[in-house]
Amino acid sequence: QVQLQESGPGLVKPSQTLSLTCTVSGDSISSGSYYWSWIRQPAGKGLEWIGRLYTRGSTNYNPSLKSRVTISLDPSKNQFSLKLSSVTAADTAAYFCARGSGSGSATPLDLWGQGTLVTVSP
Amino acid sequence: SYVLTQPPSVSVAPGETAKITCGGNKIGSKSVHWYQQKPGQAPVLIIYYDSDRPSGIPDRVSGSTFGNTATLTISSVEAGDEADYYCQVWDSGTDYSGVFGGGTKLTVL
Repeated sequence: QVQLQESGPGLVKPSQTLSLTCTVSGDSISSGSYYWSWIRQPAGKGLEWIGRLYTRGSTNYNPSLKSRVTISLDPSKNQFSLKLSSVTAADTAAYFCARGSGSGSATPLDLWGQGTLVTVSP
Repeated sequence: SYVLTQPPSVSVAPGETAKITCGGNKIGSKSVHWYQQKPGQAPVLIIYYDSDRPSGIPDRVSGSTFGNTATLTISSVEAGDEADYYCQVWDSGTDYSGVFGGGTKLTVL
């Protein structure tokens, strides 16, 4: 079955760039029409959508993070990645990758990775 | 930006019915998705497109939307239903930005 797995540094220094990768197993990331999203969750708080990338190449970003976020696809590695620049302590959170599938743009997030904790600290 | 409002907590006794609301401007015109998250775990999709259930989700879990409110209903609540629940929509007004409600903690008494 299809699975998602996040990976990347668990500790990032303030002002640096947070980089995470989501590896898709069990299917080709380029097959079908999927949206690949990143979501984060500070400890004890709610979910915040960061952005998504459509298999065909377009992206949508949270307006509050748009100036700092880049999401890209690497079909050769069956991965998609998140880069968040100029991080501060407020970016400390569990980061989840997820797949959106269905018709149209208002697709549900039907498959999630287990999440990875990223701490921003000197 | 679009805002979804959920009650922070809902408490019900086992066997009773829990209703979790999600308020948003004209939410009835959007597709609403619901997720369940247990401590230390990733969220799981439990309702999509307002009222559809993924395979494996029992039919005692249902969703509805009308006007400015979407409602997740869990009947015959069990101890295993204790979790956080989040509603979610896509806001086409801001370039299809994803929006989550603040989440509701369901406590089974």
